[in-house]
Amino acid sequence: DGGITQSPKYLFRKEGQNVTLSCEQNLNHDAMYWYRQDPGQGLRLIYYSQIVNDFQKGDIAEGYSVSREKKESFPLTVTSAQKNPTAFYLCASRPTGEGTGELFFGEGSRLTVL
Amino acid sequence: GIQVEQSPPDLILQEGANSTLRCNFSDSVNNLQWFHQNPWGQLINLFYIPSGTKQNGRLSATTVATERYSLLYISSSQTTDSGVYFCAVAPSGSARQLTFGSGTQLTVLP
Repeated sequence: DGGITQSPKYLFRKEGQNVTLSCEQNLNHDAMYWYRQDPGQGLRLIYYSQIVNDFQKGDIAEGYSVSREKKESFPLTVTSAQKNPTAFYLCASRPTGEGTGELFFGEGSRLTVL
Repeated sequence: GIQVEQSPPDLILQEGANSTLRCNFSDSVNNLQWFHQNPWGQLINLFYIPSGTKQNGRLSATTVATERYSLLYISSSQTTDSGVYFCAVAPSGSARQLTFGSGTQLTVLP
């Protein structure tokens, strides 16, 4: 089935460790996005990519890094520089072109820093 | 950046009641979506509605882009409608990255 797959769903990490969250889509979408959600809040944009080998910072990029080496994949690394990494992380994608603006989301990855 | 305000922040209904959720935004947009976030955190797409009116079963939505607001109507609410409803917009001329409102927490009582 077509969709967006995020893994792992739950992740625990010690302070000072980097962790990479996976996002894979088989929808043939060009654009991909990473959002962060804190309890009781809306989503905030971390990074986005409209095309392979290109990406831009969102509103809260500090302490995060991404890569876009393949169209299907947009992994997010939460580095030790991120001061409050415990959160729910959501990946999204959309097709590009005229009249195609709807974003679709994966099921999310919940990161807890111990 | 663009501002998105949702109201009310919390809403409690009896099963069978109707409700209207509002989303105001501060600039022109090329994308507006309504989502329902379920208890497991998954975002369910309800409507992609940068302008006009759409209906899907008991749910309908209207966006008046010139006046910068959108409304989500839920009729004959059911307990399974409970959860958080988010409005999200992308400013005109952007790469369609969405800015989210803070959501409306809906609780439908049996």
